[in-house]
Amino acid sequence: AQSVTQPDIHITVSEGASLELRCNYSYGATPYLFWYVQSPGQGLQLLLKYFSGDTLVQGIKGFEAEFKRSQSSFNLRKPSVHWSDAAEYFCANFGNEKLTFGTGTRLTIIP
Amino acid sequence: DTEVTQTPKHLVMGMTNKKSLKCEQHMGHRAMYWYKQKAKKPPELMFVYSYEKLSINESVPSRFSPECPNSSLLNLHLHALQPEDSALYLCASRQDRWGGGYTFGSGTRLTVV
Repeated sequence: AQSVTQPDIHITVSEGASLELRCNYSYGATPYLFWYVQSPGQGLQLLLKYFSGDTLVQGIKGFEAEFKRSQSSFNLRKPSVHWSDAAEYFCANFGNEKLTFGTGTRLTIIP
Repeated sequence: DTEVTQTPKHLVMGMTNKKSLKCEQHMGHRAMYWYKQKAKKPPELMFVYSYEKLSINESVPSRFSPECPNSSLLNLHLHALQPEDSALYLCASRQDRWGGGYTFGSGTRLTVV
């Protein structure tokens, strides 16, 4: 079964600092990978997705992610975080009609 | 219209009540989904509808009954729920079961008392 793992439950970064959220996937074929963000009590907003092609994917809100097959990773990055980036971030993998989410990483921004 | 609209936003119901959650999209998407999300947990798939037919039921208890009256509308009928069913219920749609990105609604916050 396909799965994604987010090893970091909670990350705290200073406003203006760079950010990297980790995601590892497990599946043999080329995975369909997504990053979603969820603010408290809200639904999920798609940040970016990877299906094929260029392994560096640009998303909304200044986020990007890089697909690395050799490391089975799809890490999310942002060069400079803003206080409004504080939220829960989910990596997800699509297969067999199902979108399967990682356990999420909670991002806290400190002034 | 590029949204998935869910109503109501909040719902409090007793264990003997019958209520329904509604989800609507007008993007021409032919796959629609119900997810359940408990606090501090990722969303978990409940049901998948493809071209108005139920294609996946993730062993959800029968007190949850989905319905897809047409290609734009998805309902979730609730009956005899338990307090542990309290959660955020998310609806999503997709172009079809084979492609396109998911669009999620903002969810219905359900509390069972």
